Amino acid sequence: DAGVIQSPRHEVTEMGQEVTLRCKPISGHNSLFWYRQTMMRGLELLIYFNNNVPIDDSGMPEDRFSAKMPNASFSTLKIQPSEPRDSAVYFCASSSQVSGNTIYFGEGSWLTVV
Amino acid sequence: QQQVKQSPQSLIVQKGGISIINCAYENTAFDYFPWYQQFPGKGPALLIAIRPDVSEKKEGRFTISFNKSAKQFSLHIMDSQPGDSATYFCAASRDGRGSTLGRLYFGRGTQLTVWP
Repeated sequence: DAGVIQSPRHEVTEMGQEVTLRCKPISGHNSLFWYRQTMMRGLELLIYFNNNVPIDDSGMPEDRFSAKMPNASFSTLKIQPSEPRDSAVYFCASSSQVSGNTIYFGEGSWLTVV
Repeated sequence: QQQVKQSPQSLIVQKGGISIINCAYENTAFDYFPWYQQFPGKGPALLIAIRPDVSEKKEGRFTISFNKSAKQFSLHIMDSQPGDSATYFCAASRDGRGSTLGRLYFGRGTQLTVWP
């Protein structure tokens, strides 16, 4: 059974470039979360969707960040333009009513902005 | 504002010892308290979870102790092993209702190192 799939696993980009991170949640899960992890701030929830609808985006740091979920099996997190302080590991996670409150994380996208 | 406060930030334990990580919360609406384990290069994964209707839950060497009146809960790892070396996150949420389904508030994490 495939878990949450994220791509790319690693990305190095130059400041000012657009970055798009992709996520495929576990099939049948109807909640999707984007987290950012840094040494300084730990795990931060950026945004979460329920049934493809954004429910809480209060964690999105600024307008440079945007997230979409066009269908139940795909989501993107976009950073435009990227800055060095965006360097972090970005995790996508999903859950469902069947799984209760268990959130399943992907392996993360390691972003470095130089 | 940190909804869940976790300590210590790092912990070093000798093999066979007991590892204890503590968490505290303020929101009395929380009624689900999981612990997640994260190995380097991996995403966090659910380790064990408790609901406030019990004061303790044990799964193998891992035990959650829950003190509802103090709004605190802790993870105890008995007979700690080098393979337990990882980052541990406590978390809390309200039981899934509508738009809050599954929304977890995480602690800052504890980096556990178990020396052989």
